[in-house]
Amino acid sequence: GDSVTQMEGPVTLSEEAFLTINCTYTATGYPSLFWYVQYPGEGLQLLLKATKADDKGSNKGFEATYRKETTSFHLEKGSVQVSDSAVYFCALRGGSNYKLTFGKGTLLTVNP
Amino acid sequence: ETGVTQSPTHLIKTRGQQVTLRCSSQSGHNTVSWYQQALGQGPQFIFQYYREEENGRGNFPPRFSGLQFPNYSSELNVNALELDDSALYLCASSLDLRVDTGELFFGEGSRLTVL
Repeated sequence: GDSVTQMEGPVTLSEEAFLTINCTYTATGYPSLFWYVQYPGEGLQLLLKATKADDKGSNKGFEATYRKETTSFHLEKGSVQVSDSAVYFCALRGGSNYKLTFGKGTLLTVNP
Repeated sequence: ETGVTQSPTHLIKTRGQQVTLRCSSQSGHNTVSWYQQALGQGPQFIFQYYREEENGRGNFPPRFSGLQFPNYSSELNVNALELDDSALYLCASSLDLRVDTGELFFGEGSRLTVL
């Protein structure tokens, strides 16, 4: 079945540091890929997505590229801020499925 | 625009009891999904409702059941509660299954503790 493996946390960075959170997936067909973020005290919200190979999703300075050859969708940001502190979830939706399959989440803490 | 709201936010039950969780979808959304998030894990898909009909189900036993109402709000019912049912239950709505972009709008969840 479909599965998502993402980098174990927690990740602690200083403000303006570079961020990478690794995500790899297993799926049949051609899934759509997502990063969701959960800020403290809030519900999960979509951060970015990519629907086909080589697509790059981007939002709020975050980027991730759909790499079919390595089955990866790593999240990156060039300069993190304290306000980026949150839990980040990588997720996929299979080609003909309606459900999202999530990774376990990575807690990011950014210190000033 | 009103977001997804869930109730109650927290509740405590004992093993064997039954629980009902409620969800109001975002305005204009007709598709609702429910997810279970155990501590330290990612959300796991329970089921999805579209126009009052269940149209997809994850690997959960029949004691997990749901409803969707004409106003597209939804309920999740769990019978014969077990200790492992302790989790955060998330409701998510999306615009319309027919134009599904995969973007879900989540509520803050209902945290269930089973003693």
